[in-house]
Amino acid sequence: QSALTQPASVSGSPGQSITISCTGTSSDVGSYNLVSWYQQHPGKAPKLMIYEVSKRPSGVSNRFSGSKSGNTASLTISGLQAEDEADYYCCSYAGSPWVFGGGTKLTVL
Amino acid sequence: QVQLQESGPGLVKPSQTLSLTCTVSGGSISSGGYYWSWIRQHPGKGLEWIGYIYYSGSTYYNPSLKSRVTISVDTSKNQFSLKLSSVTAADTAVYYCARVDTAIMGFDYWGQGTLVTVSS
Repeated sequence: QSALTQPASVSGSPGQSITISCTGTSSDVGSYNLVSWYQQHPGKAPKLMIYEVSKRPSGVSNRFSGSKSGNTASLTISGLQAEDEADYYCCSYAGSPWVFGGGTKLTVL
Repeated sequence: QVQLQESGPGLVKPSQTLSLTCTVSGGSISSGGYYWSWIRQHPGKGLEWIGYIYYSGSTYYNPSLKSRVTISVDTSKNQFSLKLSSVTAADTAVYYCARVDTAIMGFDYWGQGTLVTVSS
């Protein structure tokens, strides 16, 4: 099972919106509405931000949203804040069962 | 609030077996509906799912590691464990234990992670 494909880095200014893509295949992202997204600050454990493509766990800001089209999932962060600067990983249940993306470093300018 | 905490040696010699334990507090491993997982992160790299165990003892491993991985559970201690045999420098990573809520198939609680270095 190959890793999902994410851009290595994205950046945005405070208040702007950014979108991180996550491309898989018809065997993972395309087959299951079980894409999740994780935020990881340096030296910390990942934190669940989005599950089932677009749902937010309790306590996660509504500035974070997710979507999916075909084999590509996306995470959008609106109203960027300095605290959003982190690495973001997508993950898809793939029946084998989980595969992660390579991660995207978000820089808030 | 569920908490997970990894423990085990931070240094393992090549060809030996890496052994880690995850202690769960704030919830019971024996309550159904959750998979108890191990995930690793190579230095500066992405996440790799290693495998999971259900409280009943059923397991599922990443095919790429299956021949070397064993995950076990001790419900009396509310712990689950990872053994990875025949380690090499390529197994040097931060190892996380995490809980999968089967209702959402996402990793909702994570341990803080523990760095394991494979070196002689």
